[in-house]
Amino acid sequence: GAGVSQTPSNKVTEKGKYVELRCDPISGHTALYWYRQSLGQGPEFLIYFQGTGAADDSGLPNDRFFAVRPEGSVSTLKIQRTERGDSAVYLCASSQGVAGRTDTQYFGPGTRLTVL
Amino acid sequence: GNSVTQMEGPVTLSEEAFLTINCTYTATGYPSLFWYVQYPGEGLQLLLKATKADDKGSNKGFEATYRKETTSFHLEKGSVQVSDSAVYFCALLIKAAGNKLTFGGGTRVLVKP
Repeated sequence: GAGVSQTPSNKVTEKGKYVELRCDPISGHTALYWYRQSLGQGPEFLIYFQGTGAADDSGLPNDRFFAVRPEGSVSTLKIQRTERGDSAVYLCASSQGVAGRTDTQYFGPGTRLTVL
Repeated sequence: GNSVTQMEGPVTLSEEAFLTINCTYTATGYPSLFWYVQYPGEGLQLLLKATKADDKGSNKGFEATYRKETTSFHLEKGSVQVSDSAVYFCALLIKAAGNKLTFGGGTRVLVKP
């Protein structure tokens, strides 16, 4: 079946601009996660959705970052007033979201964001 | 806080050599442990996992044993192939603290023919 998909695969923008990154999770997965991976480092957690609500947004670095999942499926990560330090690969993952179980998170290919 | 420390790479090996990648963790709680792999040009894939002490995860000839006493989850493979060239990430997750994975910095492995 289809895995997690992310669009665009690459995004180049200028400092100060607004960007939106999209994630389509695996069908039926209720849990969705965003991570950020800087060059040469491991992914860092940003936000986790269970259904439509953000269950944990403790990883968002500041209020320029925001994410939504209005219908409990597709999610959009929004970055306002982009800065050069936001350049990274943004990864999305989804899991079944079964309560009380340690779900496997399945990752998408990522969106490479470059802020000039 | 929670953290994962992996040996730094790159690790360069010849085909059929034995591979070990060390991983240790610090956790406030009882973690589940994972190894993810990122092949060139591809996304992160789960390689194996273990959810309680002394469990052994295994897949594709790779193994890792959850050692609570040494807070470690070292990855091993007895005979590597060129196709094992990738970046390997150790990670932990504490269910009671949410579902977020905490990753190590990754170890690049290069297997030469």
